Amino acid sequence: NAGVTQTPKFRILKIGQSMTLQCTQDMNHNYMYWYRQDPGMGLKLIYYSVGAGITDKGEVPNGYNVSRSTTEDFPLRLELAAPSQTSVYFCASSRGGGNEQFFGPGTRLTVL
Amino acid sequence: AQSVTQPDIHITVSEGASLELRCNYSYGATPYLFWYVQSPGQGLQLLLKYFSGDTLVQGIKGFEAEFKRSQSSFNLRKPSVHWSDAAEYFCAVGENDYKLSFGAGTTVTVRA
Repeated sequence: NAGVTQTPKFRILKIGQSMTLQCTQDMNHNYMYWYRQDPGMGLKLIYYSVGAGITDKGEVPNGYNVSRSTTEDFPLRLELAAPSQTSVYFCASSRGGGNEQFFGPGTRLTVL
Repeated sequence: AQSVTQPDIHITVSEGASLELRCNYSYGATPYLFWYVQSPGQGLQLLLKYFSGDTLVQGIKGFEAEFKRSQSSFNLRKPSVHWSDAAEYFCAVGENDYKLSFGAGTTVTVRA
């Protein structure tokens, strides 16, 4: 099993550009999550999904969109990139029901 | 709303010495509690978790944590630190196993 995979690993965007961060898991987990990690701030939940076709906002959803058309994939979309979105983005998945979240290796995004 | 405080931003410990990382939370009921570890450039890995039952929980890599309801704390300990324990450690709290709130993290440096 590859676990949780994320692409790309690194990306530099110009202000106003858009992009999609990809996340795929092969563990058949129902729950998936997107976090951002800023220095000294810990992880903040952006969006989460409890199953295909179901998504909900987390703590910091503004400027982002998600979709969940399959169990495996949970892409995160940035429509109009802003410098405040410079961060490291982590995707995670879990079975739910008290089980641990498994994290991907992260995507480092810089918006200039 | 739940919140997590990790009072120590950075701890330096000698190899073979004991380690204790502090975590305090704010939540009305008994939350789900987790400790995760992040090695440089990697995603997060679960060390241990507490939902209910015995307040002293054992995790991987020789770590343990104790839940103290009266102090709203969930401190992480290891009796003898190895150089490979150098990493960043995150405490997380949630009303269930998703929608977690993470602390800002404690960076552990191990000196020879």
